[in-house]
Amino acid sequence: KQEVTQIPAALSVPEGENLVLNCSFTDSAIYNLQWFRQDPGKGLTSLLLIQSSQREQTSGRLNASLDKSSGRSTLYIAASQPGDSATYLCAGGGSEKLVFGKGTKLTVNP
Amino acid sequence: DTGVSQNPRHKITKRGQNVTFRCDPISEHNRLYWYRQTLGQGPEFLTYFQNEAQLEKSRLLSDRFSAERPKGSFSTLEIQRTEQGDSAMYLCASSPGQTTNEKLFFGSGTQLSVL
Repeated sequence: KQEVTQIPAALSVPEGENLVLNCSFTDSAIYNLQWFRQDPGKGLTSLLLIQSSQREQTSGRLNASLDKSSGRSTLYIAASQPGDSATYLCAGGGSEKLVFGKGTKLTVNP
Repeated sequence: DTGVSQNPRHKITKRGQNVTFRCDPISEHNRLYWYRQTLGQGPEFLTYFQNEAQLEKSRLLSDRFSAERPKGSFSTLEIQRTEQGDSAMYLCASSPGQTTNEKLFFGSGTQLSVL
């Protein structure tokens, strides 16, 4: 059974700082690893999808990596901004059925 | 492309009542998913449809829950005889439905409170 863990549960940083969010999963037989953003009381917004054959994906200031052998993924956010404040969730599996972590709540202070 | 639409946004009901939620996916998206999220937790998979066929159901989906997607367009999720433990955000998502590696597009969810 796939289990996804995210550390830390919460993170507070000053504006402009580069930061890394961590995600670990127990079953390396995943089709993909996805990162989402969730604002309070809202749905999820897809940020990046890394297929199992890929090592990383980039979108703007975001870079996500995947290491299946160690069961880890990281989300790197460069030059953080207050607008990046949200909960970031990772999810592994196939698109038909994703297993989510509990998320990391990020606060970027002006 | 107007995104995934869910109605209502909020629903307050008394224990024992039946409730129904609606999800309108992005047009031409063949797959539709239902997830449930409680406070401080990540979303949990409930079920998904490929067109009108319901292909997988989680054990979380007890016999009080039923989901339909007639004609492969919008979907409804009904909860019968609601319990306080059903209080959660119910999220709907859709994807094109061509491969296993697709981004999911989520709606804003329906927040259910069972009193």
